[in-house]
Amino acid sequence: QQQVKQSPQSLIVQKGGISIINCAYENTAFDYFPWYQQFPGKGPALLIAIRPDVSEKKEGRFTISFNKSAKQFSLHIMDSQPGDSATYFCAASKLSGSEKLVFGKGTKLTVNP
Amino acid sequence: NAGVTQTPKFQVLKTGQSMTLQCAQDMNHEYMSWYRQDPGMGLRLIHYSVGAGITDQGEVPNGYNVSRSTTEDFPLRLLSAAPSQTSVYFCASSSPSSGEDTQYFGPGTRLTVL
Repeated sequence: QQQVKQSPQSLIVQKGGISIINCAYENTAFDYFPWYQQFPGKGPALLIAIRPDVSEKKEGRFTISFNKSAKQFSLHIMDSQPGDSATYFCAASKLSGSEKLVFGKGTKLTVNP
Repeated sequence: NAGVTQTPKFQVLKTGQSMTLQCAQDMNHEYMSWYRQDPGMGLRLIHYSVGAGITDQGEVPNGYNVSRSTTEDFPLRLLSAAPSQTSVYFCASSSPSSGEDTQYFGPGTRLTVL
């Protein structure tokens, strides 16, 4: 049973464009929704995270949009750059620890110059 | 701070061999976890620990053992390696008591089982 579904599997965007990656979750107990960025040969690193008490969080060119009623959240990368080319994972957990961090299957983003 | 360190970076085993993947963190994090990453499968939790002396199974624990004798170290043991265990293994640590669940990942160990 996949608790976090991520789409698309791969995404190609032109430099300066907007990259959008979507995730849907099933467990309403989740209360922490991070996005991780992974470059080839490296471990994932936290990019941005959101709690369900807000509908949007922005950090620089990266924005998380959160829809609690639809149980969906998405990552928007504005003004995408070739250096953003990486694999992105959404995840979900419950901060109390009763629900462990569960990852989506990842989206490979390629930003063409 | 070195963060999360893992050794070795690469390893080739023959079916049936055993080995231990090492993981250490210097951030005094209480939580440590092991994940495996396979193409198209994302990161799947193998085992985790909420503190020294306490471990529990994750989503895919079969064929792996862990122990946590200290806060810093969390080794992963493969008892009898199988080709299905060919994967990239990541160790991570976190500190939920600090109010967030950021997982800090190590650089990974790429394991091939022939």
